Amino acid sequence: EADIYQTPRYLVIGTGKKITLECSQTMGHDKMYWYQQDPGMELHLIHYSYGVNSTEKGDLSSESTVSRIRTEHFPLTLESARPSHTSQYLCASRGDTDNTEAFFGQGTRLTVV
Amino acid sequence: AQSVTQLGSHVSVSEGALVLLRCNYSSSVPPYLFWYVQYPNQGLQLLLKYTSAATLVKGINGFEAEFKKSETSFHLTKPSAHMSDAAEYFCAVSEKGYKLSFGAGTTVTVRA
Repeated sequence: EADIYQTPRYLVIGTGKKITLECSQTMGHDKMYWYQQDPGMELHLIHYSYGVNSTEKGDLSSESTVSRIRTEHFPLTLESARPSHTSQYLCASRGDTDNTEAFFGQGTRLTVV
Repeated sequence: AQSVTQLGSHVSVSEGALVLLRCNYSSSVPPYLFWYVQYPNQGLQLLLKYTSAATLVKGINGFEAEFKKSETSFHLTKPSAHMSDAAEYFCAVSEKGYKLSFGAGTTVTVRA
C-alpha cells in the first residue's frame, strides 16, 4: 500500500480565496509530482520536484505554485482561486530510477464557486 | 520525447468477455512502460509494469500486458471481464530523467 497522502479530499471554496493542497509521502522519494485532471480526462503535469529546494513547472501552465522544503512534503498553493481552477489534483512520488513506478495519493477534488 | 497513444477512449465489454486495451509508444530507446487503473474519485493504482525482464508481464486483478518492440505496443488484456473492472485505464512511459508521460486514458464499462 502506497504511503502518500493528500488533504483535503474534497474542497469547495469561494472565488478569490487562498488555498493550499497538502501532499506528504513517507517513502523517502526525492521525485514528487502534481497532476491536474478534469473528470474522465487525461492527466496533465503541472509541477515536479527532484528533491528539497528543487521545483519545476510541468507541461501544463498553471497559476499554482509549489514548494519543497522537506523531502516528504510537497504542498501546492493557489493565491487566488477562480472557477477555472475547479479540477482534481493528484500528487505522486517516485523512486530515483527510471524503471520505478509512481505512487499516487487519493487526490483532492477542488471546486471554486 | 517519449509519448504514448491509447487507441479508443471508451471500451464496452460484456461480463466474462475479453478486455483489450491498446497502447502504442514512441521511443528511440527501450522504454519502461506502465499500466495504471483509476476508480472514480481515486488516485491511480499500478496494474503492472514492463522493465525489460520479460515481454509478457502479469499484473494484479488478472491483467497482463505484452511488450512488442516490432509494433511499439504494450496492450493490456484480461481474459474475462468482471463488473469490478469498470474504471479508467492509463498507459504511461518513463522518460529519462524525471517524469512519466501518460496516455489520454480508456474508460472501460462492463455490461451485465
